[in-house]
Amino acid sequence: GAVVSQHPSRVICKSGTSVKIECRSLDFQATTMFWYRQFPKKSLMLMATSNEGSKATYEQGVEKDKFLINHASLTLSTLTVTSAHPEDSSFYICSAKNDGTGNTYGYTFGSGTRLTVV
Amino acid sequence: DAKTTQPPSMDCAEGRAANLPCNHSTISGNEYVYWYRQIHSQGPQYIIHGLKNNETNEMASLIITEDRKSSTLILPHATLRDTAVYYCIVRVQGTGGFKTIFGAGTRLFVKA
Repeated sequence: GAVVSQHPSRVICKSGTSVKIECRSLDFQATTMFWYRQFPKKSLMLMATSNEGSKATYEQGVEKDKFLINHASLTLSTLTVTSAHPEDSSFYICSAKNDGTGNTYGYTFGSGTRLTVV
Repeated sequence: DAKTTQPPSMDCAEGRAANLPCNHSTISGNEYVYWYRQIHSQGPQYIIHGLKNNETNEMASLIITEDRKSSTLILPHATLRDTAVYYCIVRVQGTGGFKTIFGAGTRLFVKA
């Protein structure tokens, strides 16, 4: 089955530093990947749509200079949280759509990254 | 994307069937019903989806009412590992990422 690997699963960083989170589709190609954020006991909220070879599309209210997205290949998208602050602490999740299935319900989610900024 | 309403929490005895309801009274004709679940501190997991016919797979069954205004996810023999938050989502197929329509979901507690 389709697998999406997200790394790291947990990261603690100091305020002011940047953190990169990777999202890889292991056994399929994904032209489009999505990045979500989830606060404790809250639902997921879409942050941005990552498009291979082009600029990401950000949801309203998401700072594109703060959350840099790069989708350089068909199997890898990265989210970099720049100049992280404690309020950026959250659970970040990616998902990818399997281009090969032809079935557009085929969204697979990564296991998430818990970011803690101290 | 149409809005969904789910009970905030439910309990189920281990080995029994868990029936999770979802109301989606404003669903339009081309919107599918999807179910995902999220176990604590993990990414969501796809369970099942359907348009108007009842569906079954190795994980669950999906019963959609004839008027499509509500549906029920059935886990036939719940186990402790099925304890999770279950999200019911309605959307048109293939329209990009799920936006803020992952509502609060139903927190299912499976008890021994």
